[in-house]
Amino acid sequence: DAGITQSPRYKITETGRQVTLMCHQTWSHSYMFWYRQDLGHGLRLIYYSAAADITDKGEVPDGYVVSRSKTENFPLTLESATRSQTSVYFCASTEGVLAFFGQGTRLTVV
Amino acid sequence: DQQVKQNSPSLSVQEGRISILNCDYTNSMFDYFLWYKKYPAEGPTFLISISSIKDKNEDGRFTVFLNKSAKHLSLHIVPSQPGDSAVYFCAASATGGGADGLTFGKGTHLIIQP
Repeated sequence: DAGITQSPRYKITETGRQVTLMCHQTWSHSYMFWYRQDLGHGLRLIYYSAAADITDKGEVPDGYVVSRSKTENFPLTLESATRSQTSVYFCASTEGVLAFFGQGTRLTVV
Repeated sequence: DQQVKQNSPSLSVQEGRISILNCDYTNSMFDYFLWYKKYPAEGPTFLISISSIKDKNEDGRFTVFLNKSAKHLSLHIVPSQPGDSAVYFCAASATGGGADGLTFGKGTHLIIQP
């Protein structure tokens, strides 16, 4: 199916562990984004990528690392998870100004 | 500093009546505005948009109004239906796409009462 998919949908991890959230799109959109959604904060941009091997920080990048070796994939890694990174994470790709979102990954750090 | 503001965290409206969701912005460089709808456990989905060269855009039951001088936009839903119960995010773009992506408001939870 065409679209943007995230995996896993749900993840529980321990403080200090490394965890990677996956994002895959089938459209070959150039731009991809990672947002986190928290109560009272809405959607905040973590990192974005303009193309393969080009990434840049968003509003809340601390504690996160991204890579983009292929156009279709944009994984987000928490190098050492903290409780404050408990959130719902959304990956998106854009066509012009229109963003298409994945289903989200609910991450709980205990 | 929040550039896109949705000051009502929640809104309750009776089925069949009009729902009006408001959004204010501070960045004069924003030139395109979008509304996204989000159901629980799903990603946001695009609803309707408006360019800064227009002051109104209509799509079925949904109409977005833009007042550039007041830096204000609103989403009208008429008539409201139970399936409209969701969180609505206002978003803005200053780059014509790409680059910094979209700047989102905090969202308004719309509840349609039967």
